[in-house]
Amino acid sequence: GENVEQHPSTLSVQEGDSAVIKCTYSDSASNYFPWYKQELGKGPQLIIDIRSNVGEKKDQRIAVTLNKTAKHFSLHITETQPEDSAVYFCAASKRGGNQFYFGTGTSLTVIP
Amino acid sequence: GAVVSQHPSRVICKSGTSVKIECRSLDFQATTMFWYRQFPKKSLMLMATSNEGSKATYEQGVEKDKFLINHASLTLSTLTVTSAHPEDSSFYICSALDRVNEQFFGPGTRLTVL
Repeated sequence: GENVEQHPSTLSVQEGDSAVIKCTYSDSASNYFPWYKQELGKGPQLIIDIRSNVGEKKDQRIAVTLNKTAKHFSLHITETQPEDSAVYFCAASKRGGNQFYFGTGTSLTVIP
Repeated sequence: GAVVSQHPSRVICKSGTSVKIECRSLDFQATTMFWYRQFPKKSLMLMATSNEGSKATYEQGVEKDKFLINHASLTLSTLTVTSAHPEDSSFYICSALDRVNEQFFGPGTRLTVL
């Protein structure tokens, strides 16, 4: 089965700096990689995703990169703001599949 | 993005009672919904996959008679925690798959069993 690893588990950055969270996966058949942001006491919210036919996707201050050969993908947040503080989860899934494999989460703190 | 609602958001019940949690996809139809349990500062733990019109598929270690799942329509799945005990206290989150298999989560339900 698929195994998704996520690093770091905690991350603190100064406001305005960039934050990078990395995930690796084991199953080369996985081809859909979403990222979720979970604020305290709330459900996870899909913030960006990438499919295996592209190497990078950007949406304003957030971007995701995918390296299929190395089987890793990363979330990049630029110009961080205090409201970016949350737990971020990566996940991997297969085309047409209904199984999602989640990373263990990264607790991001943006220090004002 | 698509919207998934959950009700109630918080519930406190006495030990031995049953609690029903509803999960609805508000603006799309979902043949597949998931139920997760999350402990403080932990990742999401998949409990079961709920398929419209058929029996749910439970993950190993999850008691199907304790956590009853019904997916009666393309927009509604329910989780009933039967004979709840304090150890069932947790944050329960549902999610739904849209037609391109993107997963959207509900806001979660905080269950406290006294």
